[in-house]
Amino acid sequence: DQQVKQNSPSLSVQEGRISILNCDYTNSMFDYFLWYKKYPAEGPTFLISISSIKDKNEDGRFTVFLNKSAKHLSLHIVPSQPGDSAVYFCAANNAGKSTFGDGTTLTVKP
Amino acid sequence: EPEVTQTPSHQVTQMGQEVILRCVPISNHLYFYWYRQILGQKVEFLVSFYNNEISEKSEIFDDQFSVERPDGSNFTLKIRSTKLEDSAMYFCASSIEFGATNYGYTFGSGTRLTVV
Repeated sequence: DQQVKQNSPSLSVQEGRISILNCDYTNSMFDYFLWYKKYPAEGPTFLISISSIKDKNEDGRFTVFLNKSAKHLSLHIVPSQPGDSAVYFCAANNAGKSTFGDGTTLTVKP
Repeated sequence: EPEVTQTPSHQVTQMGQEVILRCVPISNHLYFYWYRQILGQKVEFLVSFYNNEISEKSEIFDDQFSVERPDGSNFTLKIRSTKLEDSAMYFCASSIEFGATNYGYTFGSGTRLTVV
């Protein structure tokens, strides 16, 4: 049972444009959602999180949107930079445990 | 910036052998985790650890796996008798808060375990 899904394995955008990464979930008991970025040969790095009682959280160039009725969240990166090229994981928390999606590889072209 | 340190970075072991993966979490963190990622697959939860005991474990974390925090700084994952399917990248993580909700986990760089 894949409770957290990232349906796009890859995304390519031009530098300066918006990157939108999507994530869907099935378990309505998830109470927090997080995004991580991962470079090769490194562990995931926390980017931003959102509580299930909110619909938007913003931190600099990163904004996460949550649509609870659709069980969908998205990460917006504006403007995208070449250094943002990495694998992005969404994760959903329940009872202190994170369930990760498969990841989306973002490539930002100069 | 504080880091989670994992050693070794790569471990090759024969099937049936015991391995110990080591981690030094961030010193003021209270919650500790092991996750793994089999090549091409998603990051999977193995176990969480708080107050010197396991808080939760997944179905993957069977009797072949154990964790301990022997000296207040190291956090180890032991696999007693490795199988080929244990080959994966193993990530240690720690967090200051339960559920890592506001600040996320801090992950180490991982140990790549190859069972031959």
